[in-house]
Amino acid sequence: DAEITQSPRHKITETGRQVTLACHQTWNHNNMFWYRQDLGHGLRLIHYSYGVHDTNKGEVSDGYSVSRSNTEDLPLTLESAASSQTSVYFCASSPRTGSYNEQFFGPGTRLTVL
Amino acid sequence: SQQGEEDPQALSIQEGENATMNCSYKTSINNLQWYRQNSGRGLVHLILIRSNEREKHSGRLRVTLDTSKKSSSLLITASRAADTASYFCATDGGNTPLVFGKGTRLSVIA
Repeated sequence: DAEITQSPRHKITETGRQVTLACHQTWNHNNMFWYRQDLGHGLRLIHYSYGVHDTNKGEVSDGYSVSRSNTEDLPLTLESAASSQTSVYFCASSPRTGSYNEQFFGPGTRLTVL
Repeated sequence: SQQGEEDPQALSIQEGENATMNCSYKTSINNLQWYRQNSGRGLVHLILIRSNEREKHSGRLRVTLDTSKKSSSLLITASRAADTASYFCATDGGNTPLVFGKGTRLSVIA
């Protein structure tokens, strides 16, 4: 069955380290998204991609980067982890740009920055 | 900043009762979507209502949309303990990504 996976599911790192969170989907969806979820803030968009080699900044992109070298994967990199980046991170995908698209979410990665 | 704002932030009801959650938004939309999130899990799409629709049903779910008031409501009828979750509205403006609200935490007590 097609699915969207995230790894690792849990990660503890230290301030200043580079961290990469993986997201892999097998639906062949064009669109992929990264969100962070924090108490009191709901879901906030970090970066998104509408296809291979396309990346766009979201609402809270500072300190994060993404690259899209194939359809299936959109890794999220924290260049120099900060305690403010402690959060739960969700990856999502959807079939195409435009209206009437539901998003399919991964199970999330809980990141703790000490 | 968030487009949709859910109300109430938290809701606690008895099993069998109906649960109503509201969502208000600020700008014009093409459609509005509702998602559910069980504790420790990713979001799951529940229902989508287009801007030219006023009401939509799916099983025990009923969604209304009032574009003149920029608001939507999600009604869950005959709630069950398994409905305990957080519920999010998300607005779709067209060629921009969905914008999610902060969610309503629903607790259904058996």
